[in-house]
Amino acid sequence: DTGVSQNPRHKITKRGQNVTFRCDPISEHNRLYWYRQTLGQGPEFLTYFQNEAQLEKSRLLSDRFSAERPKGSFSTLEIQRTEQGDSAMYLCASSLGQVASTDTQYFGPGTRLTVL
Amino acid sequence: GDSVTQMEGPVTLSEEAFLTINCTYTATGYPSLFWYVQYPGEGLQLLLKATKADDKGSNKGFEATYRKETTSFHLEKGSVQVSDSAVYFCALSDGEGSNYKLTFGKGTLLTVNP
Repeated sequence: DTGVSQNPRHKITKRGQNVTFRCDPISEHNRLYWYRQTLGQGPEFLTYFQNEAQLEKSRLLSDRFSAERPKGSFSTLEIQRTEQGDSAMYLCASSLGQVASTDTQYFGPGTRLTVL
Repeated sequence: GDSVTQMEGPVTLSEEAFLTINCTYTATGYPSLFWYVQYPGEGLQLLLKATKADDKGSNKGFEATYRKETTSFHLEKGSVQVSDSAVYFCALSDGEGSNYKLTFGKGTLLTVNP
């Protein structure tokens, strides 16, 4: 168990550029979540995958955001035409997908995005 | 919708002091409740959890009891250490209907001085 990994750890980009983040969940974890955390706030849910199927997207996820999880393994989160308001820490979490009493989300270290 | 309200920080304590961080929640169903901790420069880690009313979660000397009647899940520790300095997040998961996504509070920064 190597934990959830995310790459890159930091990304600085100019407004209008596209960026892509990668998340590698704990192996055999069926569920994968993306959250966004801004300074002084708790993480906010963005989207959720059960295996390769994207089952829920938050209203926070505008049309400029897209997420994929091909083959139910790693996931990517792409932001097109970045805006300064996209600057945040993007967190990925995975869980086994068991019943509520045992399902626990494990978080990666996050990707910090700065849009200039 | 679901929401979590936790005590505003920052909280500053001396080593060996008693800690309480208040957390209350609003949920439509019967949520599971969590405390996550974020140490400086590190990712979120699960500290403890409780999945039904009157359950007590505990870990590393921290405790929290799921109180359905007061919709609360307050975090306590009898004697804090400098190494407990971190940001603490209360969170809930409202079950299968919500895809088990977590709803977090804003976090409480704890600083423990020697």
